[in-house]
Amino acid sequence: DAGITQSPRHKVTETGTPVTLRCHQTENHRYMYWYRQDPGHGLRLIHYSYGVKDTDKGEVSDGYSVSRSKTEDFLLTLESATSSQTSVYFCAISESKGANQPQHFGDGTRLSIL
Amino acid sequence: QKEVEQDPGPLSVPEGAIVSLNCTYSNSAFQYFMWYRQYSRKGPELLMYTYSSGNKEDGRFTAQVDKSSKYISLFIRDSQPSDSATYLCAMSYGGATNKLIFGTGTLLAVQP
Repeated sequence: DAGITQSPRHKVTETGTPVTLRCHQTENHRYMYWYRQDPGHGLRLIHYSYGVKDTDKGEVSDGYSVSRSKTEDFLLTLESATSSQTSVYFCAISESKGANQPQHFGDGTRLSIL
Repeated sequence: QKEVEQDPGPLSVPEGAIVSLNCTYSNSAFQYFMWYRQYSRKGPELLMYTYSSGNKEDGRFTAQVDKSSKYISLFIRDSQPSDSATYLCAMSYGGATNKLIFGTGTLLAVQP
């Protein structure tokens, strides 16, 4: 299994509070991604990183920010959580930007916003 | 219209059956095609990865890509109860960022 650890695995919080999810990898891969998974929508890309301090937006980036200060850690922050952000969040990594380097996923964080 | 369409199922088959899972897509620019397996409360696990049209086989799994019809399939031979999971197709344009576009997943149950 790819060395990807997501924390926390489960979180319940209230609307309007800030939330930070962490993805930690031990593979030294350059590329890291944050997805959310919702019924009827599949997995959708929120943000991705192509190196330390290098990030870009994905398909559903509104309301989310990310940071990557070290190769191994990619943080996803909800500045002011809303109920529509209740979802399962997955981190993925890939070795390089080439499409022949597939993405490998962590086991997710279940986030409930009440 | 979604870029990638996948029948959500659920699909229930008896053990030993041949399973066929399918996705269609609308954008001919997709170049790379993947199938992921996702067990309940786990992350997606890469099963198959193909680039060109044609078939790719790995054990009991065969991935098929038909770019002219914009259609991909995953076949599972001699299905086992341990194959019970959600199967996600995913596609990529290739290029600089390797962004993946996923289908919504098909839930498969293999009955012993």
